[in-house]
This record gives sequence, structure tokens and C-alpha cells, in this order.
Amino acid sequence: GAVVSQHPSWVICKSGTSVKIECRSLDFQATTMFWYRQFPKQSLMLMATSNEGSKATYEQGVEKDKFLINHASLTLSTLTVTSAHPEDSSFYICSAREDQGSRNEQFFGPGTRLTVL
Amino acid sequence: KNQVEQSPQSLIILEGKNCTLQCNYTVSPFSNLRWYKQDTGRGPVSLTIMTFSENTKSNRRYTATLDADTKQSSLHITASQLSDSASYICVVSARDSNYQLIWGAGTKLIIKP
Repeated sequence: GAVVSQHPSWVICKSGTSVKIECRSLDFQATTMFWYRQFPKQSLMLMATSNEGSKATYEQGVEKDKFLINHASLTLSTLTVTSAHPEDSSFYICSAREDQGSRNEQFFGPGTRLTVL
Repeated sequence: KNQVEQSPQSLIILEGKNCTLQCNYTVSPFSNLRWYKQDTGRGPVSLTIMTFSENTKSNRRYTATLDADTKQSSLHITASQLSDSASYICVVSARDSNYQLIWGAGTKLIIKP
């Protein structure tokens, strides 16, 4: 149980295009999901907290107009990188917090490798 | 300031040997401490979650300890295998309104045959 999937697992795009990444909780409901970014040899950095049915909460320094988050259902959150540039190339990881969980545990997806040419 | 520090930064050991990874934290108020294993190019996978009252917790060849007084934790790996090569990340959850996760930088562990 408690499986989180991400799609796609990797994507290569041209500079200026937009890329959408999906995060799904497969066997549990998640009112709250999280989006992280990880650069090589660094730890995960929280970008935003996604709440079903309401606006996402962005961390300081993360542009909400560039990283659009939509949490339309209890099992799906999407992150859209708009007008992507090479500096947006990174490993994007989502996690989902189980609504019925007792320890505020987050379950992580396998990540999406974004390369912007 | 809430911080999590891990040591060593990297570690190379021979297959079959044991090793211990360290984590010190200054997170308040404390909720729980987690150890994650992250393979290269993959998302983190939870190894253990420890609350304030838990001193030791084992998961197969992994044994985590927590000293809430000194705010230290360790992860001991027994009889290492090649598949143990990964980054091990210590994460502390703060008992605030959003249960913020404070991430350590991780220890890069390499197991050599």
C-alpha cells in the first residue's frame, strides 16, 4: 500500500515550452501533496504544498506563476513548469500525505527528470 | 533555527561490513525523525520513523537509534550489501501547524565488492 506514482519519469523539452508533471496516490487519499526539487548532489528542497480544492502554498523564492500547481482531486496533483528554461532542469519529486495516517508520513513518488535544452 | 546535520558526508565500505551514519538536529518542537534511503535518480524510500519516546527501531538490517535529550540519531547498517549503495537522508518533522520537514544533506554510502 501507500504507493505514489509520477508521470512522466523523464522529459526533455525545448526552452520556452511548458511541461506538466503528474503525481498520483494510487491506493490512498491525499488532501495534501508536496512538490520538491533536487539538484545534483543536494538534498530535496520543498517548492510548494498542494492542497486539494484550494490554492497551493509556495516556499519563499519559488515563483507561483512559473510553477503552476493544480490539486483537483484527492489522488492527483499536477505541476506545470511554464516557459521552461535550462536552469529549470532538475529532478522533481512529489510526495503525498495519507489522510488517514497517524504519523504525518509522506510517501514519495519515483521522481521526474526534467531536461530543458 | 531548525537544522539537521549529517555525518559523514560520504562513506565507502567493503561489502559485508557494518557502518553507522550520524544525524544531529536542532528542531523544535520535535514531532518525529525519519531515515530515508534514496537511490540515484529515484525518490526517497522510508526506512524508519521514530517518535520522541522511541529509542531504537529495527527494519531488517537497518537499526535506528534516537536520543531525544542530546538530539542525536544514528542509522546502523549490518552486513552491508552492494544494493545498500545510496544516499541516506535524515529528516526531522517539526510539530508546527504544517508539520514541516527539515531535511539533512544526506550521507552518500558506497559499498564496494
